[in-house]
Amino acid sequence: GAVVSQHPSWVICKSGTSVKIECRSLDFQATTMFWYRQFPKQSLMLMATSNEGSKATYEQGVEKDKFLINHASLTLSTLTVTSAHPEDSSFYICSARDGDLPDTQYFGPGTRLTVL
Amino acid sequence: QKEVEQNSGPLSVPEGAIASLNCTYSDRGSQSFFWYRQYSGKSPELIMFIYSNGDKEDGRFTAQLNKASQYVSLLIRDSQPSDSATYLCAVALTGGGNKLTFGTGTQLKVEL
Repeated sequence: GAVVSQHPSWVICKSGTSVKIECRSLDFQATTMFWYRQFPKQSLMLMATSNEGSKATYEQGVEKDKFLINHASLTLSTLTVTSAHPEDSSFYICSARDGDLPDTQYFGPGTRLTVL
Repeated sequence: QKEVEQNSGPLSVPEGAIASLNCTYSDRGSQSFFWYRQYSGKSPELIMFIYSNGDKEDGRFTAQLNKASQYVSLLIRDSQPSDSATYLCAVALTGGGNKLTFGTGTQLKVEL
């Protein structure tokens, strides 16, 4: 149980294009999903908290107009990196909160984004 | 003071030994504590969670929580080379909403 998928697992795009990453909870309903970013050899950095049916809450310093988050259903959240630039190249990881186990987050496998 | 602190390591232990990973947190009101394992280039994987003071065992893993001293630890018995990874401590801080606050992780190396 508690499986979270992400798609795509990796993507290479040209500078200026937009990239959408999907995060799905496969066997449980996730009212809350989280989006993290991790640069090589660095810690996880929380970007935003996504609640089903409402606007995402972004962490300080994260541009909400650049990183668009949609959580339209209890099993799907999407992150769109708009007008991507090379400095956006990173490992993007989503997690989903299991409501039956307080505060427990299960992580997706991550999406490696490379912007040329 | 960081909210969740871990020694970055690396912590090297011989195969078959007990690895002891420690984590301290600043918020005395925290209620939920987690250990995640992250292999290089992969996403974190939940190993254990603990809510109450004392020990919680799951296979070769034991989580220990001491709320009075504000530390949580993870013991790995009979360490294997496949246990070599970065171990992340995460705490649900009071007032943090649904968020977890992660430590920077301890790198564990299990040597043959």
